[in-house]
Amino acid sequence: DQQVKQNSPSLSVQEGRISILNCDYTNSMFDYFLWYKKYPAEGPTFLISISSIKDKNEDGRFTVFLNKSAKHLSLHIVPSQPGDSAVYFCAASVGGANNLFFGTGTRLTVIP
Amino acid sequence: DVKVTQSSRYLVKRTGEKVFLECVQDMDHENMFWYRQDPGLGLRLIYFSYDVKMKEKGDIPEGYSVSREKKERFSLILESASTNQTSMYLCASRWGGYNEQFFGPGTRLTVL
Repeated sequence: DQQVKQNSPSLSVQEGRISILNCDYTNSMFDYFLWYKKYPAEGPTFLISISSIKDKNEDGRFTVFLNKSAKHLSLHIVPSQPGDSAVYFCAASVGGANNLFFGTGTRLTVIP
Repeated sequence: DVKVTQSSRYLVKRTGEKVFLECVQDMDHENMFWYRQDPGLGLRLIYFSYDVKMKEKGDIPEGYSVSREKKERFSLILESASTNQTSMYLCASRWGGYNEQFFGPGTRLTVL
């Protein structure tokens, strides 16, 4: 049973515009959320995280928003660049535990 | 910089063969993980280890075993490879608590 869901398998955005990637979860015990970026033939690389005591975390062009009541988080990339084209995975855990639950990923294409 | 390395980038094996995938990390992380990534399914946890000689089953341990004899090294073993184990295998490591996992580059395993 998929506890973390990314319902959009793909997203295309013009260079310079905002990319918004969405993620929903079902387990209300999740309190730590992460976003990873993955290029083809490479391992995922960590982008940004947020704990449930916050509703927003920002790192440069990347901002993650957490809406606990809706069990929803989103990753905003502003401005989008062609190098951002990759598959993005969201993930969640309970209490910082080792068991990390991943979504199925969203392929972002940034069009020059 | 944390470095997680995997012994092979590409591997082709025959059905019934015993397969060893090796992973080494250089940051003294106590926790290490093996995932497989399949299209449309995201990353699924096979096994993880929180200390030398300690292991825990993940979501899909059937057909796999693991070994951790040294802190920096975590091996995934396919006792008798089958075609449905054709996949991308990703190793990761991390410190405990609210910290991200660092991934290796992955091994693309094909079982013929």
